[in-house]
Amino acid sequence: DVKVTQSSRYLVKRTGEKVFLECVQDMDHENMFWYRQDPGLGLRLIYFSYDVKMKEKGDIPEGYSVSREKKERFSLILESASTNQTSMYLCASSLSGLAQYEQYFGPGTRLTVT
Amino acid sequence: RKEVEQDPGPFNVPEGATVAFNCTYSNSASQSFFWYRQDCRKEPKLLMSVYSSGNEDGRFTAQLNRASQYISLLIRDSKLSDSATYLCVVNIDRQLTFGSGTQLTVLP
Repeated sequence: DVKVTQSSRYLVKRTGEKVFLECVQDMDHENMFWYRQDPGLGLRLIYFSYDVKMKEKGDIPEGYSVSREKKERFSLILESASTNQTSMYLCASSLSGLAQYEQYFGPGTRLTVT
Repeated sequence: RKEVEQDPGPFNVPEGATVAFNCTYSNSASQSFFWYRQDCRKEPKLLMSVYSSGNEDGRFTAQLNRASQYISLLIRDSKLSDSATYLCVVNIDRQLTFGSGTQLTVLP
């Protein structure tokens, strides 16, 4: 069974803290993605990666960075958390090629920055 | 203007009803189209792809009109378990762009 796991379901951090969100997939997928989901705005792509050590900016990369040192793991880093980064963060993975549009999502991390 | 626009709803329909959702997209370079489903407090999951000729999967029918840049999803004989948020998704240059979703509640 396909599985994407995220390190925390709920997280509360203070403004200015460095925050790490971890995502692991066990499906040997090439592609991995980080989104945030906010009411009325839908899912917005932050960063994605098509291979180990590769990363590309999505639509809203400002204030975020990512790391992909191993194929199964994709980390999202908030360098200095701010209150406008309070959101639901969703990680996803997919195969490459024609199957790339079926993305498998993790359960999400609800991050609150106070 | 949002790249993918959906009526947010909510749509409240009785069991057995037929309900239709619409979605418009702004980028004519969009290459492929999908509907995802997201249950309350859960992650999105692929429901079906949308093909130019229209396609059906059981009670679900998806249609695409490229000239009008319009996608639809029809659900027939709706069940309680169909209650969810339906996300219209468009692929542009290998990236998926998600609409903000249409909420459906099927009432007993």
